[in-house]
Parts: sequence; C-alpha cells; structure tokens
Amino acid sequence: AQSVTQLDSHVSVSEGTPVLLRCNYSSSYSPSLFWYVQHPNKGLQLLLKYTSAATLVKGINGFEAEFKKSETSFHLTKPSAHMSDAAEYFCVVSDLPGGGNKLTFGTGTQLKVEL
Amino acid sequence: DGGITQSPKYLFRKEGQNVTLSCEQNLNHDAMYWYRQDPGQGLRLIYYSQIVNDFQKGDIAEGYSVSREKKESFPLTVTSAQKNPTAFYLCASTDSSYGYTFGSGTRLTVV
Repeated sequence: AQSVTQLDSHVSVSEGTPVLLRCNYSSSYSPSLFWYVQHPNKGLQLLLKYTSAATLVKGINGFEAEFKKSETSFHLTKPSAHMSDAAEYFCVVSDLPGGGNKLTFGTGTQLKVEL
Repeated sequence: DGGITQSPKYLFRKEGQNVTLSCEQNLNHDAMYWYRQDPGQGLRLIYYSQIVNDFQKGDIAEGYSVSREKKESFPLTVTSAQKNPTAFYLCASTDSSYGYTFGSGTRLTVV
C-alpha cells in the first residue's frame, strides 16, 4: 500500500525568501513521486517527478525536490519565492514509473507569499 | 496545442437531477481518469479507463457513471444517487510514461 503525508496544510513566506514544502511517503516498492501545483479553480500542473534516476530533481519555475529513501521524504524547495508561486501544492506517490493507474495524493499544502 | 478540455467550468444541479461533465483530450493518450477534489482531502479517484470501451471503478465510484466510446472522450455522469455531489471535478489522461495531464476542472454545485 502507498500513502503520502504533507506535513503542513499552510505555509506562509515572504517574497524573496526560501520555500520548503514537506512530504513524506510510504510505498511497498520503489516509488515514483511527483509534485503538482494548482492555482485557484484550475487543474493541476506537473512541477517535477522522481522515477528512480537522480535523487535531486529539478522542475519548472525554479523548484526542485530531493528524494531521500532513508527518510522516506520528497520535500519541495525553491531558493526565492515569487508572488506567482502562491498556490496549492500536492505531493503524489505511485508504485509505477509514470503513475500508472494508482496515484495517491497528499492533502495539499497552501503556499502564501507575502510582500 | 495538445491538452484536455473540461466543460462546463461551472455547473449547477438541482436535487434529484443527473448531470454530465465533459472531458475531451487531443493528446492521443489511452488512459483517462476522473477525480473528485474536496477541500482538505486531496484528490480521490472516481473512475478510470485504460482503453476505449473499457473502464474501472476507482475509490469513490458510487453515484457516478462513465462511458468511453471514443479515445478522445470520457464523460462523467453524476447521478441522483450521489448524495453529496458538490465538489471540484478533474479529468486527467496519461501515456503512462510522463505523468498525468489534467484539465482545468468543473465546479459542480447542488442548488
């Protein structure tokens, strides 16, 4: 069975400061892990994905995430927040490389960026 | 541009009424999915289809029905049996290698 826990439901940062959104996962196999972003009343957009290649994954808009097997974590980071980063972020786990038919979503982290 | 189109963007349903949400993709993806999103609960899988004329129930299929007569289309019907249909509905597709592509969603409200 697979599961994912997003440790913070809300994160607030100032513009220009680092962003850290935390995600822990549980999976019976070598998981595929994804981060998606959702702006209000929009669909989800893929930020980045890990599928057993390099453990440090770079995504769009300056985001990156590091897969740490020993800690079962896949935290999302960005060195400097921008106002346009304000959105909801979902950590997603799957036992299959592209996601297959079984994606498990975290409950989301709402990121607020203040001036 | 390739993508997924969901319509309508907003939909209002009266008690006891069936409504159908449209999902069309031009990505040539075989697999398509319907998710329901409620505040604080992430996304939950309603139905999915891996190929034309075939579909399977997801985790919360009760009160919903689907069809997959064409590769491009995967409409979702919310029936009167769904007791709490107010939610944001997302359609997605995948080619199983890259990840999921999502539509922009339909917000359904019961009035």
